[in-house]
Amino acid sequence: AQTVTQSQPEMSVQEAETVTLSCTYDTSESDYYLFWYKQPPSRQMILVIRQEAYKQQNATENRFSVNFQKAAKSFSLKISDSQLGDAAMYFCAYRSRAGGTSYGKLTFGQGTILTVHP
Amino acid sequence: NAGVMQNPRHLVRRRGQEARLRCSPMKGHSHVYWYRQLPEEGLKFMVYLQKENIIDESGMPKERFSAEFPKEGPSILRIQQVVRGDSAAYFCASSPRQGNSGANVLTFGAGSRLTVL
Repeated sequence: AQTVTQSQPEMSVQEAETVTLSCTYDTSESDYYLFWYKQPPSRQMILVIRQEAYKQQNATENRFSVNFQKAAKSFSLKISDSQLGDAAMYFCAYRSRAGGTSYGKLTFGQGTILTVHP
Repeated sequence: NAGVMQNPRHLVRRRGQEARLRCSPMKGHSHVYWYRQLPEEGLKFMVYLQKENIIDESGMPKERFSAEFPKEGPSILRIQQVVRGDSAAYFCASSPRQGNSGANVLTFGAGSRLTVL
């Protein structure tokens, strides 16, 4: 079974600065998806960014980028120019690329609470 | 496009009562998933349904929990004889059918928070 580990329960950053959230995972599969989700106090789960394992290029979405190290099974999220609205719980998640019953079955990490200081 | 709609947002039940949580997927989505989030934890997969079919219920507790996604109407997660340990946020997500290019992304609802007294 796959596991996802987020070793930082809490992180903080000054507004406009850069912060990196860590995530490692364990799998025997070679093809899969990785995601970062944001959960603000409203509890809504919002997709931040996704990475397909077969793509070597790191995904980027505006101020959000990832550092995907497949051999090390590491998938960190970098938030540049942090804003107050970035404050939330961030979850790393894994999904097998296989279809069938694995479809849509995400394995989540424990989450990292990000605080943004003005 | 209204997104994934869940209700109620908050539900309070006493021990032994039944809880019913409803989920309407995004328009055009035919796959529904239920996840549970216990306090201070990440989301845990419970069940994956398509219309009138349970595809994967490997994350469902063996007793008291059931889920359905009828031909008409929302998906329902039912918890019978609730206990305090059932207190959690229950999230529903939906996706298009398999094979769709956007199908690897789940869209989540805002969750239903169940409190058992």
